[in-house]
Amino acid sequence: GQSLEQPSEVTAVEGAIVQINCTYQTSGFYGLSWYQQHDGGAPTFLSYNALDGLEETGRFSSFLSRSDSYGYLLLQELQMKDSASYFCAVRGWQAGTALIFGKGTTLSVSS
Amino acid sequence: DAGVTQSPTHLIKTRGQQVTLRCSPKSGHDTVSWYQQALGQGPQFIFQYYEEEERQRGNFPDRFSGHQFPNYSSELNVNALLLGDSALYLCASSLASGGGIGELFFGEGSRLTVL
Repeated sequence: GQSLEQPSEVTAVEGAIVQINCTYQTSGFYGLSWYQQHDGGAPTFLSYNALDGLEETGRFSSFLSRSDSYGYLLLQELQMKDSASYFCAVRGWQAGTALIFGKGTTLSVSS
Repeated sequence: DAGVTQSPTHLIKTRGQQVTLRCSPKSGHDTVSWYQQALGQGPQFIFQYYEEEERQRGNFPDRFSGHQFPNYSSELNVNALLLGDSALYLCASSLASGGGIGELFFGEGSRLTVL
């Protein structure tokens, strides 16, 4: 099976940088994804890493180390609208199989 | 281009009743996954449908069943409702040929309350 660990809460101020870590255990691995969910809304896709290294998409970057079963989401130049829950998710042994989500990290950005 | 639509958005049931939730996937998508999200938790995978068949199932009892229709829309049925079934039920669509990324597109969910 698969399991993921991420911090439950992170707080930061506007303009700051925050890193949300994710460690995973899975019988197979086909990539680590990150999703954002605002209060009660639909989760939306942020990024995906299949290979080791950093992927950058605007203010957001995601990193993966397959040997350490570890990844993180880096949010720069934080804005109030970034206050949301962030989930890491893994796909197991092949493309097309289900995404399994972590419990999520609630990010609170204050002014 | 319509995204993923789910109905109903909210519903209240009592213990022992049965419920059916509906989902229309994003245009062009052929795979539908259902997730249960309890308050403050991450989405828990229930099952995935592709080509009208259940392709993969999470750790949920047989009270949870589903169906996918030829137009790719899907239903989630839950029988003998328990208080613990109260949650947000999310439908997500994707393309089977979407490769490794396999980005999921979620609907806004159906909020089920069991009294």
